[in-house]
Amino acid sequence: DAGVIQSPRHEVTEMGQEVTLRCKPISGHDYLFWYRQTMMRGLELLIYFNNNVPIDDSGMPEDRFSAKMPNASFSTLKIQPSEPRDSAVYFCASSPMGNLGLGEQFFGPGTRLTVL
Amino acid sequence: AQSVTQPDIHITVSEGASLELRCNYSYGATPYLFWYVQSPGQGLQLLLKYFSGDTLVQGIKGFEAEFKRSQSSFNLRKPSVHWSDAAEYFCAVGFTGKLIFGQGTTLQVKP
Repeated sequence: DAGVIQSPRHEVTEMGQEVTLRCKPISGHDYLFWYRQTMMRGLELLIYFNNNVPIDDSGMPEDRFSAKMPNASFSTLKIQPSEPRDSAVYFCASSPMGNLGLGEQFFGPGTRLTVL
Repeated sequence: AQSVTQPDIHITVSEGASLELRCNYSYGATPYLFWYVQSPGQGLQLLLKYFSGDTLVQGIKGFEAEFKRSQSSFNLRKPSVHWSDAAEYFCAVGFTGKLIFGQGTTLQVKP
């Protein structure tokens, strides 16, 4: 398996532009997570999905952020409009979590976003 | 509230020396505990996990961790550090489908 795939790996954009980050989870995984990592705030969970349904979006910072999972093999995180403080590394992770217990999360390589 | 504390932000050890990274958690029930490692420019990789049973768990790359309920700790250890172990290490506790991560400990290895 290729692991979790994220694109693009790097994104540089100007303030006010729309940014879309993409993620392909590992086939067969039921859960998909979006994280943001910054020096100041560390690793923050933004939102996660179970079977394509958003379960907890309490970590989404503002209405400018939205996430979708139209099918089991694809998810997007969109920022519109983007601001310089959104600059961070965004990680996608997937998990084969079962009904009981907690499964390991497998992380993608991340997208480094710079908003000028 | 659930939380994870990694008291050491930065640790430097000499190659070949032993290593212990500290992790304390706050969680009301039996925790699911994890250690992840992040090399520069990479995503996080699982080193080891504790769900139940033997409190000493073995992981990849020669790492081990010991769960101590009385101390609410899950410290990571390695008997002899290699230069390639230089990275950032994250402890995490899992509950209700989520992972709560500590702030991370950056490990520097001196030759």
